[in-house]
Amino acid sequence: QKEVEQDPGPLSVPEGAIVSLNCTYSNSAFQYFMWYRQYSRKGPELLMYTYSSGNKEDGRFTAQVDKSSKYISLFIRDSQPSDSATYLCAMSVYSGGGADGLTFGKGTHLIIQP
Amino acid sequence: DAGVIQSPRHEVTEMGQEVTLRCKPISGHDYLFWYRQTMMRGLELLIYFNNNVPIDDSGMPEDRFSAKMPNASFSTLKIQPSEPRDSAVYFCASSFQAHGYTFGSGTRLTVV
Repeated sequence: QKEVEQDPGPLSVPEGAIVSLNCTYSNSAFQYFMWYRQYSRKGPELLMYTYSSGNKEDGRFTAQVDKSSKYISLFIRDSQPSDSATYLCAMSVYSGGGADGLTFGKGTHLIIQP
Repeated sequence: DAGVIQSPRHEVTEMGQEVTLRCKPISGHDYLFWYRQTMMRGLELLIYFNNNVPIDDSGMPEDRFSAKMPNASFSTLKIQPSEPRDSAVYFCASSFQAHGYTFGSGTRLTVV
């Protein structure tokens, strides 16, 4: 079993829809959870960061962590064509640039149709 | 700040040749990471440094790969000799004990 599982997609939705992106993981020691957005031929950029379980909201984006189920989600409200990108979940045992680096999912390719 | 700067952006080389990838982290960041991204395996951590010291190189695939960080503003990843299976996008990222890393734009390596 891979440490982090993420559906590669592509996921295609119409503009304005609510998007749900998800990851599951197997390592119960993970405490820090992140979502990165990667545009074509660019490096990943940090979108959301959460610690432990719970929700975090930032504008149109909401990150949700359920440690009991080892499941994390990213919701995008009022999706825009500019949201079209690959979304990677990432997680670590230690904070930020800590001792173990980040473990990434393979990413979900999201397409928002105008 | 210009962000994490990687060079070259693209590299095409013949099998057996030496390849050197370069990275300039964000000033003040104390962690530097090298990742490799392929369609099959996604993003894989190769090696990371803390205060210029290599901490974990367990992700380096073979002895053909080596990385150095001679000072806080520069790091290299070298592949010698290169093989076609090394073809991938190589990313450098830096962090200051932050809640996430800042990635460079990557070097797209093609070994023919």
